[in-house]
Amino acid sequence: DTGVSQNPRHKITKRGQNVTFRCDPISEHNRLYWYRQTLGQGPEFLTYFQNEAQLEKSRLLSDRFSAERPKGSFSTLEIQRTEQGDSAMYLCASSFTAYQETQYFGPGTRLLVL
Amino acid sequence: GQQLNQSPQSMFIQEGEDVSMNCTSSSIFNTWLWYKQDPGEGPVLLIALYKAGELTSNGRLTAQFGITRKDSFLNISASIPSDVGIYFCAGQFGGGSEKLVFGKGTKLTVNP
Repeated sequence: DTGVSQNPRHKITKRGQNVTFRCDPISEHNRLYWYRQTLGQGPEFLTYFQNEAQLEKSRLLSDRFSAERPKGSFSTLEIQRTEQGDSAMYLCASSFTAYQETQYFGPGTRLLVL
Repeated sequence: GQQLNQSPQSMFIQEGEDVSMNCTSSSIFNTWLWYKQDPGEGPVLLIALYKAGELTSNGRLTAQFGITRKDSFLNISASIPSDVGIYFCAGQFGGGSEKLVFGKGTKLTVNP
């Protein structure tokens, strides 16, 4: 399968714990995006990378959130000191810089903070 | 955060009927996309539109990029049970702002 992959698919954690999610984009895609989706809503943009550079961050990305893409391939999203409001589906998407760019999504990581 | 106005919120139809849903925005987008999402999964791309006025088909699906660049619609013809899911429109500004802005989705139920 050459699509976007995300791990883990599900994560249950206690409030105050740190969690880390991983995204592996489609190979040769140089852009990688993180979105968050809560129940009954569409995905909301968090941040994106072009190669290893983080080019845009949403105001939704509080200082408890950090994302990295150290070698321009896979990316990690870490949430420190989780809160119940962080419970959501975290989606990763990738694309290749082109005149007509299209973002392809992974299956997501569902986070539940107890 | 900013979202598109997508309607209807939900639809209940009989198998074989045609379906129409649309998205409007106060902002101009350079790209419109339509995705379908099944429960517990990520959105799957259905159709991408890159030019104002563009009409594009993908099997039984047809979508159009509005000429004002502030709206788009998606039609599904002769619906089948596997069309069940949530359909999202998304707009992309481009020109250095590459994030997608999503609608709240249209939940489609197809009765066999």
